[in-house]
Amino acid sequence: SAVISQKPSRDICQRGTSLTIQCQVDSQVTMMFWYRQQPGQSLTLIATANQGSEATYESGFVIDKFPISRPNLTFSTLTVSNMSPEDSSIYLCSVTPSYTFGSGTRLTVV
Amino acid sequence: AQRVTQPEKLLSVFKGAPVELKCNYSYSGSPELFWYVQYSRQRLQLLLRHISRESIKGFTADLNKGETSFHLKKPFAQEEDSAMYYCALTGNAGNMLTFGGGTRLMVKP
Repeated sequence: SAVISQKPSRDICQRGTSLTIQCQVDSQVTMMFWYRQQPGQSLTLIATANQGSEATYESGFVIDKFPISRPNLTFSTLTVSNMSPEDSSIYLCSVTPSYTFGSGTRLTVV
Repeated sequence: AQRVTQPEKLLSVFKGAPVELKCNYSYSGSPELFWYVQYSRQRLQLLLRHISRESIKGFTADLNKGETSFHLKKPFAQEEDSAMYYCALTGNAGNMLTFGGGTRLMVKP
């Protein structure tokens, strides 16, 4: 199974600022996914990131708020832009075909 | 549309008792089903997937297409099984996962 390193593991940010989350995979993967887990909730898909193409966003998520980069087959970033307290969540990346997850980034916006 | 339902938010059992965490799904094609476990302060871990038909940590799950269910079972619960369990589905290989709401399992001594 692919091993995913995600960082930062946690951060406390001021509202109005941006945070970029990184995921590094130990093998080449075609598809990477970004999920959000709000407090006490299950996981919701934000977007699908394929190398060489624009990310595909789910309903309720937009590129201006959550820009994603996928420069190669082992790396991706998710930026949470212009943050508000409602963005306080755990953000996770995942890959196929192993369907494993990164350790998550716990974001608190104050 | 695909949907996963875990009807129990909390399941509490005593150590040594059998455990069944329920998962029902809605999908028109042939889905792939997963169970994930999240221990306190740890990352989300893949527990099992139906195509592998493995038994991990004593847990098993059988895909019942007639009842559209993928219940997770263990004959004798252990205290270390206390965790959050998520059922998930993908409709196509290499596609995104849809998660159920999760069930918190508490195993009492």
